[in-house]
Amino acid sequence: KQEVTQIPAALSVPEGENLVLNCSFTDSAIYNLQWFRQDPGKGLTSLLLIQSSQREQTSGRLNASLDKSSGRSTLYIAASQPGDSATYLCAGPGAQKLVFGQGTRLTINP
Amino acid sequence: KAGVTQTPRYLIKTRGQQVTLSCSPISGHRSVSWYQQTPGQGLQFLFEYFSETQRNKGNFPGRFSGRQFSNSRSEMNVSTLELGDSALYLCASSSMGQGPLGGYTFGSGTRLTVV
Repeated sequence: KQEVTQIPAALSVPEGENLVLNCSFTDSAIYNLQWFRQDPGKGLTSLLLIQSSQREQTSGRLNASLDKSSGRSTLYIAASQPGDSATYLCAGPGAQKLVFGQGTRLTINP
Repeated sequence: KAGVTQTPRYLIKTRGQQVTLSCSPISGHRSVSWYQQTPGQGLQFLFEYFSETQRNKGNFPGRFSGRQFSNSRSEMNVSTLELGDSALYLCASSSMGQGPLGGYTFGSGTRLTVV
């Protein structure tokens, strides 16, 4: 059974810093992992999808990595901006469903 | 291409009433899944449909039900509403057949408030 954990639960950093969000999962047979962003009261926006055959995916200032052997994924945000403030969720596949971590609430201070 | 469309965006219902939420997936996507999000419980899986068949169901009471139509649109129904059903209900679509290689796309959600 897949379980997903995210740490930290909340993170506050000054604008311009580079930062890393962590995600760990229990089922190493994972075939992909997806990172989402959620603004308050809104739906989920997909940021990056990493297939098990890949080790990294990049989109603009975002870079996600996947290490199946250690059961970990990281989301790297470069040169953070106040508009990056949101909750970030990682999710791995379960049986016809996504299994989510509890999310990291990120605040970027101007 | 159009994204996942959920209607309505907001609902206010009274305890004991029932409610129906609708989700139209991305064109060509045959899998639709539903999630409930509350501050205390996070995102919890409700059920998943593929080609009109429910393939998986989460740990929710029988008051929560769903269905999928031949055009892949899906509805979920909650009967005998309770205060604790107040939540953001999210729908996701995927092109997956045997595996979600394309990932999931979520709608904007329906905010249900039970008073």
